Amino acid sequence: DSGVTQTPKHLITATGQRVTLRCSPRSGDLSVYWYQQSLDQGLQFLIQYYNGEERAKGNILERFSAQQFPDLHSELNLSSLELGDSALYFCASSVSGMRTDTQYFGPGTRLTVL
Amino acid sequence: AQSVSQHNHHVILSEAASLELGCNYSYGGTVNLFWYVQYPGQHLQLLLKYFSGDPLVKGIKGFEAEFIKSKFSFNLRKPSVQWSDTAEYFCAVMRGGADGLTFGKGTHLIIQP
Repeated sequence: DSGVTQTPKHLITATGQRVTLRCSPRSGDLSVYWYQQSLDQGLQFLIQYYNGEERAKGNILERFSAQQFPDLHSELNLSSLELGDSALYFCASSVSGMRTDTQYFGPGTRLTVL
Repeated sequence: AQSVSQHNHHVILSEAASLELGCNYSYGGTVNLFWYVQYPGQHLQLLLKYFSGDPLVKGIKGFEAEFIKSKFSFNLRKPSVQWSDTAEYFCAVMRGGADGLTFGKGTHLIIQP
């Protein structure tokens, strides 16, 4: 158990819909990262937050957005869902968000878009 | 664009065999290097990481990796594998500055008893 929790574990929805994935970082960690894992693209970095502020952006689509709340939990919002958005979404957390930090990964949320 | 290449997508070994998984990256600046493992049904876990200093890094469970700057490589090794090493192994790079990890496609390792 990494100490990072993600809910829900599984999510099945239809094209065009909007979903919210939730992540709670390890106690004491200030930075949260979101990653997408799909069969064709592999593991891709989406976005990073540090203490409530966006710090870095990766290959995140405009239909996707995220935020980190004052209690440090984070939510990833996916809208206008397409079949190709079906993937495993991981959250990771680290102490300070520095490049030398170890990122601790959660168990992931498996999203299926039908 | 920065990329990470893992040469073998599937590797099958017998118990007690030696293991070497290749990883090459394309970024020329300062990088931090990581190997993560994902056991069946579990989350990604850090095996080892390299930032600076001794290019031979030791990690958990008997794994080690060697950073060869001239070859842009960070290969993972274990002298004698066990059945419990069956997992997916990911090499990852973090370049200088704030950013996320760039992962390779992963190597699926199967250890036969």
